[in-house]
Amino acid sequence: EVHLLESGGGLVQPGGSLTLSCAASGYTFRSYAMSWVRQTPGKGLEWVSSISASGDRTYYTDSVKGRFTISRDNYENTLFLQMNSLRAEDTAVYYCARFMDCGGHCAFDYWGQGALVTVSS
Amino acid sequence: EIVLTQSPGTLSLSPGERATLSCRASQSVSSGHLAWYQQKSGQGPRLLIYDASRRATGIPDRFSGSGSGTDFTLSISRLEPEDFALYYCQQYDTLPRAFGQGTKVEIK
Repeated sequence: EVHLLESGGGLVQPGGSLTLSCAASGYTFRSYAMSWVRQTPGKGLEWVSSISASGDRTYYTDSVKGRFTISRDNYENTLFLQMNSLRAEDTAVYYCARFMDCGGHCAFDYWGQGALVTVSS
Repeated sequence: EIVLTQSPGTLSLSPGERATLSCRASQSVSSGHLAWYQQKSGQGPRLLIYDASRRATGIPDRFSGSGSGTDFTLSISRLEPEDFALYYCQQYDTLPRAFGQGTKVEIK
């Protein structure tokens, strides 16, 4: 059974840094592209970043470019999101999600339970 | 950038009734690269429909998706108690991968 478990959330001051992790199990992690999606009561679901299966291609939404870095460790079956220069508007529940294996444009077929990140002084 | 607008915001129905949810895109979503997700409180979203009309693994056949271009629909033929939840559409045709704002299906 596919399982995605986020960790590393918490309270951080504006301008601070935080790294989220997503431990994957139940499938061949290195064969699937992955993504981070965040959710706030006000803006709903927002795609944040994606990474290819091998890790050689990464993509970001404009509001986090230059501040967030997505990466993965295919030996440890773990996805990461390094978040720097955090702002109040980054406050959200962050989900890791797996892309379907569809060979092109794909939906997210599995999601984690989410990790809460709160940016506040 | 594609913007998705879902309607209605809230749908109040009784178990056994049919639910029809709409998702309209600001520009054409090519090849039907649109998905529907269900979300319950405290959980991550669950994929229901992908490629506009294909049911995901394990999804009951009371859920169906249709549409193309800019207009898409999720239908639930007969609402079961566990179907009362939030529903989101998402396009995966272009970056950024946008989501709709959601439709809440609540018990009348």
